Amino acid sequence: GDSVTQMEGPVTLSEEAFLTINCTYTATGYPSLFWYVQYPGEGLQLLLKATKADDKGSNKGFEATYRKETTSFHLEKGSVQVSDSAVYFCALRAFRSSASKIIFGSGTRLSIRP
Amino acid sequence: GAVVSQHPSRVICKSGTSVKIECRSLDFQATTMFWYRQFPKKSLMLMATSNEGSKATYEQGVEKDKFLINHASLTLSTLTVTSAHPEDSSFYICSITGTSGGSQETQYFGPGTRLLVL
Repeated sequence: GDSVTQMEGPVTLSEEAFLTINCTYTATGYPSLFWYVQYPGEGLQLLLKATKADDKGSNKGFEATYRKETTSFHLEKGSVQVSDSAVYFCALRAFRSSASKIIFGSGTRLSIRP
Repeated sequence: GAVVSQHPSRVICKSGTSVKIECRSLDFQATTMFWYRQFPKKSLMLMATSNEGSKATYEQGVEKDKFLINHASLTLSTLTVTSAHPEDSSFYICSITGTSGGSQETQYFGPGTRLLVL
């Protein structure tokens, strides 16, 4: 079945460091891919998304490129800030339909040191 | 964008009692709502898809009689945890699909309800 695998955390970095959180997926067809972020004490928020191969999603300095050849959607940021400390979830939706469920990865906890 | 609310945000109950959690869509008429469960330091697990006017669709391994879902209107879905036990303690999150900035569909999540069963 469809699944998402992302790197296990926690990940601890210093401020202004480069961030990569790996994410790979298994799905039939052409899924839409997402990164969600959960800040401490808050609900999930959509960070960015990509709906087809080679699309690049970006938001708040974060980027991820839909790579169909490697079935990956790695999250990157060139210079992290303390405020980026959160849990990040990679996810996919198998069909472009509002009724299709979203499948989440296990989440990666990111902590940024000042 | 869409706003999804949940009530209560936190509930503590005794083992054997039933707890009802409400999920409201404030900006969209949602024919479909999703209920997730999140264990501590774990990912979200889809429990069921709530369909307005019809029965919910449950994921494999989720007990229908244990987790009753009612999608009473286009803006309200409820999840009732019946005869709750300590192992039901978890963070329950609902979500809806809405449209933002054109035709792109986006999933919006509620803030979650933390259930603690003593």
